Amino acid sequence: QVQLVQSGAEVKRPGASVAVSCKASGYTFSTYWIHWVRQAPGQGLEWMGVINPGGDTTTYAQRFQGKVTMTGDTSTNTVYMELRSLESDDTAVYFCARAGGFGWFDTWGQGTQVTVSS
Amino acid sequence: SFVLTQPPSVSVAPGQTAKIPCAENNIAYKTVHWYQQKPGQAPVLVVYDDSERPSGIPERFSGSNSENTATLTISRVEAGDEADYFCQVWDSHSDHVVFGGGTKLTVL
Repeated sequence: QVQLVQSGAEVKRPGASVAVSCKASGYTFSTYWIHWVRQAPGQGLEWMGVINPGGDTTTYAQRFQGKVTMTGDTSTNTVYMELRSLESDDTAVYFCARAGGFGWFDTWGQGTQVTVSS
Repeated sequence: SFVLTQPPSVSVAPGQTAKIPCAENNIAYKTVHWYQQKPGQAPVLVVYDDSERPSGIPERFSGSNSENTATLTISRVEAGDEADYFCQVWDSHSDHVVFGGGTKLTVL
């Protein structure tokens, strides 16, 4: 079955970087775009950006320009999201999600908790 | 960009109908999707393309989109429907995704 499995929880110091992985299975990896969405504690969903794993084409939300990089590895069917210059406000659960059609997300990863604390 | 506005909370008694709105000027010209999220879990798609239901989602979940408001309707509400619900749109002009702020559905 279609599945996205993310890497485990991370604790980082302010100013550091974090990389979260999202491994896809059960479908042709390069065919579907992968989005990243984060959710701060008690808050709503915030879209971060999207990558076309087959061609490494990316679009980032304006507030994450210069702070996030998304890459894909077709040899391992894995997408990576790197977030730099971490601040306490970056503490959140980070989700990857597959774009199943015209703009909706039909499959989500389980989420990765990133905690930024000194 | 634009903003999708949802009420923070909606309450309904079991067996009744819950309507969760998602408002934006001329949202009828956009395609709206809806997600259910229970505590500690990833969101789950419950309605896509305004009113389509993914396989495995009960028929009690339906969607509509007209003029300035898209609506998720849950009929014959059950205790297990208690969750946060988010609307979502892909803005084709900016190639960005926008989420509503979310609505917490409480089953009384």
